Amino acid sequence: QSVLTQPPSVSGAPGQRVTISCTGSSSNIGAGYDVHWYQQLPGTAPKLLIYGNSNRPSGVPDRFSGSKSGTSASLAITGLQAEDEADYYCQSYDSSLSGWGVFGGGTKLTVL
Amino acid sequence: QITLKESGPTLVKPTQTLTLTCTFSGFSLSTSGVGVGWIRQPPGKALEWLALIYWNDDKRYSPSLKSRLTITKDTSKNQVVLTMTNMDPVDTATYYCAHPTPLYCSGGSCYYFFDYWGQGTLVTVSS
Repeated sequence: QSVLTQPPSVSGAPGQRVTISCTGSSSNIGAGYDVHWYQQLPGTAPKLLIYGNSNRPSGVPDRFSGSKSGTSASLAITGLQAEDEADYYCQSYDSSLSGWGVFGGGTKLTVL
Repeated sequence: QITLKESGPTLVKPTQTLTLTCTFSGFSLSTSGVGVGWIRQPPGKALEWLALIYWNDDKRYSPSLKSRLTITKDTSKNQVVLTMTNMDPVDTATYYCAHPTPLYCSGGSCYYFFDYWGQGTLVTVSS
């Protein structure tokens, strides 16, 4: 059971916009810790998608964006493409775990 | 260009000790601020951050697994080794090593994201 809660699955049709939430508490996201997002394509290692709540590494399309507010963060994907079908994980830190890093439970994105 | 690769046994027996090696290139663990982390992922489940080692030999462990984990580095070989004792079938997972980059440092602690990952190695615990 992760301290960061994500919906198990989301879906959308090609071209649509989807959002994935990452809900925490006052000891992690709400404490001011930044949130990072990773994309894991089937059978591959995770890939950094968003760092520092809303920053995209070089090479990540601007269809992907992140935000944070209060005790939650969100990943938005616009112009959904078939290749976006993957698992997505949020990551932050938790003061109740002595500042240790934590991942969300992951969200499976299905492109219909 | 940063690359990392995990190596180690694919099968271990319950109660045995697992030893995994991460061999990396493109950065040096003798450079200030640099570290290497280990993350695992049971089949079909979420990621779990296990351990981190820094250039200055500072080590951090998951609070829930701290008693079973040891992380060490060999700077001359560009390797980081993770050992996990008393393996159990629930430890069956793909184990990844990854390069952390600090977003910022505050109060003596740095807060990282993982920008480069190894391909992972699947370790099965079974008798």
